[in-house]
Amino acid sequence: DVKVTQSSRYLVKRTGEKVFLECVQDMDHENMFWYRQDPGLGLRLIYFSYDVKMKEKGDIPEGYSVSREKKERFSLILESASTNQTSMYLCASSRQGNYNQPQHFGDGTRLSIL
Amino acid sequence: GQNIDQPTEMTATEGAIVQINCTYQTSGFNGLFWYQQHAGEAPTFLSYNVLDGLEEKGRFSSFLSRSKGYSYLLLKELQMKDSASYLCAALDSNYQLIWGAGTKLIIKP
Repeated sequence: DVKVTQSSRYLVKRTGEKVFLECVQDMDHENMFWYRQDPGLGLRLIYFSYDVKMKEKGDIPEGYSVSREKKERFSLILESASTNQTSMYLCASSRQGNYNQPQHFGDGTRLSIL
Repeated sequence: GQNIDQPTEMTATEGAIVQINCTYQTSGFNGLFWYQQHAGEAPTFLSYNVLDGLEEKGRFSSFLSRSKGYSYLLLKELQMKDSASYLCAALDSNYQLIWGAGTKLIIKP
């Protein structure tokens, strides 16, 4: 089974802090994604990556950056955390190739910015 | 704009059948996914449809009508463990997933 592991289930940080969310997958997937999930809204894509050192902006990249130095690891960085970034963050990975490849998700990090 | 609509919440009885609808408007279309998400857990893949028709997978079936921009997820013989949110997502012409807000399904004994 695919395993996508996010470093923290719960995280509390202060406004202005630099925050790192880590995600590791163990199935050698090429694609990795970062989403945020808020009540009443669908998953919103922040950034994604199709390969090591490659990154593409999603729908809501402002205030975030990402890093993919190794194939298995995709990090999300909040450069200067703000209260409107309080949310559930979900990491996902998928295999390249046929577009019917499902995304496999981690359990999420519930981030609170105070 | 691109949009996915699904009901916010539904209630059904254990042992019954429930149909969760999803309508989509996307720039191009390359298929539709259904995921299940239990509270506090990761979404997990249920089904993928790209051709019109019904695909059955055990107690769960998924239907697609491309001409109507419509899909549904059919759950039979409902069990308490089926209480979860069900997420609909359409793949657009750029192969990006457009997600619905999810339908929270409550199963009552």
